Amino acid sequence: RKEVEQDPGPFNVPEGATVAFNCTYSNSASQSFFWYRQDCRKEPKLLMSVYSSGNEDGRFTAQLNRASQYISLLIRDSKLSDSATYLCVWGPGTYKYIFGTGTRLKVLA
Amino acid sequence: NAGVTQTPKFRILKIGQSMTLQCTQDMNHNYMYWYRQDPGMGLKLIYYSVGAGITDKGEVPNGYNVSRSTTEDFPLRLELAAPSQTSVYFCASRGLAGELFFGEGSRLTVL
Repeated sequence: RKEVEQDPGPFNVPEGATVAFNCTYSNSASQSFFWYRQDCRKEPKLLMSVYSSGNEDGRFTAQLNRASQYISLLIRDSKLSDSATYLCVWGPGTYKYIFGTGTRLKVLA
Repeated sequence: NAGVTQTPKFRILKIGQSMTLQCTQDMNHNYMYWYRQDPGMGLKLIYYSVGAGITDKGEVPNGYNVSRSTTEDFPLRLELAAPSQTSVYFCASRGLAGELFFGEGSRLTVL
């Protein structure tokens, strides 16, 4: 089993829709989690960190479920500009980060 | 507001050639990383550094070398380039909250 698994998608959704992605991780010795956004042929950029209590940043909400070992990202009121690949990143140790292969989102007009 | 700067952005190498990818950060971060990303794959760690003078191997270090003589610079050296090293290379540094800041990437093709 991969250490971090994501549904590759693509998720094709209309503008204004709500879409959610999950990411499962394999080890309960988790430390920190992040969601990154990566546009085609560009570098990953931090979207948001994921806190134990869940956190929200505008239209984006991140949740952590330690019992079931997954994190989620919810995007409300999708915009065309949200089209990108979303990477789940697990930081289990002091230096090491494990990247998921990403979930592709396409928001359609 | 430079952040992490990588050069070159694109490069084509012939098999057996060598080159250095440059990476500089101006955020005074101690931790720096080199990743490669192949199509449809997650980022793989090549080397990392926890501070000037200290480097260590990641998951896929073969065919690469690094040095860290200053906090700012973390160059990646490719020796005897092979087609398997065709990839996009990202340099990153780690902020205080554990978040990674990436450079814009270096696209390398080995023919």
